[in-house]
Parts: sequence; C-alpha cells; structure tokens
Amino acid sequence: AQSVTQPDIHITVSEGASLELRCNYSYGATPYLFWYVQSPGQGLQLLLKYFSGDTLVQGIKGFEAEFKRSQSSFNLRKPSVHWSDAAEYFCAVTRMGGGSNYKLTFGKGTLLTVNP
Amino acid sequence: NAGVTQTPKFRILKIGQSMTLQCTQDMNHNYMYWYRQDPGMGLKLIYYSVGAGITDKGEVPNGYNVSRSTTEDFPLRLELAAPSQTSVYFCASSYNGNTDTQYFGPGTRLTVL
Repeated sequence: AQSVTQPDIHITVSEGASLELRCNYSYGATPYLFWYVQSPGQGLQLLLKYFSGDTLVQGIKGFEAEFKRSQSSFNLRKPSVHWSDAAEYFCAVTRMGGGSNYKLTFGKGTLLTVNP
Repeated sequence: NAGVTQTPKFRILKIGQSMTLQCTQDMNHNYMYWYRQDPGMGLKLIYYSVGAGITDKGEVPNGYNVSRSTTEDFPLRLELAAPSQTSVYFCASSYNGNTDTQYFGPGTRLTVL
C-alpha cells in the first residue's frame, strides 16, 4: 500500500529565512507526487506536482520541490519565506492504473509558522 | 467561475440526526471526491465519483452515502450521525482521475454532539 510520511508536524521559521519541508513516500510503482497548501479556514490548493522528467519542479508562490528516487523523497523548498506562507502543507502520492487508481494518499501535514 | 462550493460552512448535529452536505462545481469536471480531515491525520477519502451516475467507496465510507445525478453536484449524506463523524469535510473535483490536479471547496465543519 502506498504511504506518505511528513516527519515534521510543526516548523517555525523567521520571515526571510529559507524553508525545507520533508516528504517521504513508500511506493512500489512510479509515483505521482503533489504538494498542496491549506491556509487557515480554507480548502487545499495545489502548489506543484511531479510525474516524470526533470526532478526539480517549480510551483506557484516561489516554491520548488525535488524528487529523489534513491531516497524516496519529494521535499518542498522556498529560498525566502513570507509571512503569508504560514499555512499547513500536505504531500500526496498516487499512481496511474490499478485498483487504487482514484486514490490520492495524503501525508498528515506540516504546519508552518512564520515569525516576523 | 466559482470553482467548488460547499454548503453549509458549519453545522452542529445531535447523535442520530441526518443531514446532507452539498457540493457543486462549475468547471465541468468528471471526477468528484469527498474527504474528511481530522486534526493531525491528513485527509481520508470517503467516496468518489468518475461521472454522473457512477460512485465508489474510498477508504472510510462507513456511515456515509453519496449520489451523482448530474456532473455538477455530488452531495454527501449522513444518515445516523455519530460523534466519530465530527470532522471537517472537503469536496474536491478534477477533470481527469487521481493524477490530475484536484480543486477543493472551502469545507464544512461538522460537530456531532
């Protein structure tokens, strides 16, 4: 069964500092990987996704993520955090085809706090 | 486009009551999903639909029912509310299947007392 681990439940950074949120997945097939962001009281919004090709993907709001197959990781990064980035971030994985074709598996989320 | 809309935003139910959570999308998406979000647990798929008239169970379907009579609407029914159904419920839609971007509604916060 596919699974996603986000090791950090809560991260606090200062505004302007760099950010890296960790995501590890467990999957037998080629994964399709996503990062979603949830601002307080709102639904989730896609930041970026990886299916194949260049392992460094760019997303919205200045975020990027790097797929490392050897480490089963898909970490999210941002060089300089803004106060508006305070939110909860979810990594998710799925695959094409098979019985679980329509199931997107989410991690438990990492809550980001940004200090002024 | 309004995207994905959900009503109500908040609701308190008594044990044993029933209710329907409404979800509508105006993007002509084929696929629609219902998730529940519990604190520290991420999102769990309750039911999904691949088109009008076609629905299937997700990870946690017990206690819920769905229908999809139109492309736009995908209501979620709770027949006999239980405290374990206290959660935030999100509806989402996508044009293609699970490898496509999902667009989420703002959520319904349900409390069962």
